[in-house]
Amino acid sequence: AQSVSQHNHHVILSEAASLELGCNYSYGGTVNLFWYVQYPGQHLQLLLKYFSEDPLVKGIKGFEAEFIKSKFSFNLRKPSVQWSDTAEYFCAVILNTGGFKTIFGAGTRLFVKA
Amino acid sequence: DTGVSQDPRHKITKRGQNVTFRCDPISEHNRLYWYRQTLGQGPEFLTYFQNEAQLEKSRLLSDRFSAERPKGSFSTLEIQRTEQGDSAMYLCASSLAGGMDGYTFGSGTRLTVV
Repeated sequence: AQSVSQHNHHVILSEAASLELGCNYSYGGTVNLFWYVQYPGQHLQLLLKYFSEDPLVKGIKGFEAEFIKSKFSFNLRKPSVQWSDTAEYFCAVILNTGGFKTIFGAGTRLFVKA
Repeated sequence: DTGVSQDPRHKITKRGQNVTFRCDPISEHNRLYWYRQTLGQGPEFLTYFQNEAQLEKSRLLSDRFSAERPKGSFSTLEIQRTEQGDSAMYLCASSLAGGMDGYTFGSGTRLTVV
């Protein structure tokens, strides 16, 4: 079955540390990839998206993600995190199998210490 | 348009009762999705509509669950004979066709079955 795996369920960092959250998907066909973020008490929001152009995608608030097709990965990065980045991050994929529904990973909770 | 609205925000019900949730999507969006999220998990796909047509239902959606989008605008999700295992956050999202620009999520309806 198609799935999305996020390797870290909880991450704790100090402010100014660099962040990398892993995401792998299991599907051999064409995919569209996303990262969503959920800040405490808020709804899920789109952080960035990849379609089929540059494999390095830049999103809001200094986040970026790199699509490596050979590794089926779409890792999220930020060079220097802030306390306000404390949130839960979800990797997601749309499989172009005709249904075009989005499948989400289990999420990674990030806590940034001030 | 203020985004995707869901009502109610919270619902506590006794086991065996029926509940109905409502979702009002962004008016220009022709696709509407229902997801369920439990603690420590990412959103799980339940069903989606394109306009008023229900195009796909997950196997998670037992015969106690039914969803409608009668005029291609708002949608309702009904759960009959609720069970404790139905306790979860029920999320609604909407998108333009295909969802390639990402989804806009509502704040969700938290269901507690006692």
